Amino acid sequence: GAGVSQSPSNKVTEKGKDVELRCDPISGHTALYWYRQSLGQGLEFLIYFQGNSAPDKSGLPSDRFSAERTGGSVSTLTIQRTQQEDSAVYLCASSPPGGASRYEQYFGPGTRLTVT
Amino acid sequence: AQSVSQHNHHVILSEAASLELGCNYSYGGTVNLFWYVQYPGQHLQLLLKYFSGDPLVKGIKGFEAEFIKSKFSFNLRKPSVQWSDTAEYFCAVNAQNYGQNFVFGPGTRLSVLP
Repeated sequence: GAGVSQSPSNKVTEKGKDVELRCDPISGHTALYWYRQSLGQGLEFLIYFQGNSAPDKSGLPSDRFSAERTGGSVSTLTIQRTQQEDSAVYLCASSPPGGASRYEQYFGPGTRLTVT
Repeated sequence: AQSVSQHNHHVILSEAASLELGCNYSYGGTVNLFWYVQYPGQHLQLLLKYFSGDPLVKGIKGFEAEFIKSKFSFNLRKPSVQWSDTAEYFCAVNAQNYGQNFVFGPGTRLSVLP
């Protein structure tokens, strides 16, 4: 079946502009995660959605970052007034419901964001 | 706060050499442990996982990892690496009291020379 997809694959933007990054999880997966991967760094957790529950936003680095998930499926990560330090690869992952499988994350290809 | 450390930033091995990548975490409670791999140009994918039971777990492609609770470690091993194992390897921890939050280590880049 189809995996997690993300768009765009690459985004170059000017400092101060807003950007939107999109994630389509695997159909039927109830959990959705956003991570940021900076050059030479591990994955930094940003936000986590689980079904209809309130999202865990504890990893968002500032109030310029926000995310929503519509209809329990597609998610959009928005970065307002981008800064150069926002340049990174933004990864989305989803997990199926129930049992031990809910801890297994399936990752998308990522969106490489470059802020100039 | 939880943290995960991976001791080696970059490991270079010749084919057929044995591999051990270190992973340590800081959390005193019950944990679920994972190793993910990212081959060049590909997505991150799950290599193996530990939830409970036998602390020695086997994953895909001949990899295994051992959970040593007293050392807060979950080291990844492979007895004989191949050139195709060249990739970046990430250790991840989920503390069971933290729901489905995961903390990833910084990754170890493995280069296998043919």
